[in-house]
Amino acid sequence: AQTVTQSQPEMSVQEAETVTLSCTYDTSESDYYLFWYKQPPSRQMILVIRQEAYKQQNATENRFSVNFQKAAKSFSLKISDSQLGDAAMYFCAYRRTKGGGADGLTFGKGTHLIIQP
Amino acid sequence: GAGVSQSPSNKVTEKGKDVELRCDPISGHTALYWYRQSLGQGLEFLIYFQGNSAPDKSGLPSDRFSAERTGGSVSTLTIQRTQQEDSAVYLCASKEGMSSGNTIYFGEGSWLTVV
Repeated sequence: AQTVTQSQPEMSVQEAETVTLSCTYDTSESDYYLFWYKQPPSRQMILVIRQEAYKQQNATENRFSVNFQKAAKSFSLKISDSQLGDAAMYFCAYRRTKGGGADGLTFGKGTHLIIQP
Repeated sequence: GAGVSQSPSNKVTEKGKDVELRCDPISGHTALYWYRQSLGQGLEFLIYFQGNSAPDKSGLPSDRFSAERTGGSVSTLTIQRTQQEDSAVYLCASKEGMSSGNTIYFGEGSWLTVV
């Protein structure tokens, strides 16, 4: 079974600074998808960014970018110019391309990001 | 609807009572998921629907938990004889089609407190 590990239960960053959230995963698959979801206090999980494993180029969405290291099975999220609205729980997720248990989707336990004004 | 809708938003129930949580997925989304999130914890998979059938219900923690989906749309998660350890946020999500690459959209969850 796939596992997703987020080793930082909590991170704190000053507003306007850059922060990196780490995520590692374990899989024997060669093709899969990786996601970062944000969960603000409103509880709704919002997709931040996604990466297809077959793509070597790191995904970028405005201030959010990833560092995808396939060989190391690492998928970190970098948030540049942190804003107060970025404060939330961030979940890393892995999904197989061939479905399977839970439709092949596995979440990490999350990192609580605090933005210091 | 525009997004995944869940009701009730908050529910306080007495131990031993039954509760029903409702999820209305995005129109046209065939895949529907239920997750449980205990306070400060990650997401625990409960059940996955494709249309009205549930290819994977392995995450349901006990036979007190059941879920159904009718008309390929609304789903109801039922918890019978609730226990205090059932207190959690129950999140519903939906996805269009069967492609693994499609985005999963989440509702805001139903916060269940068993007293």
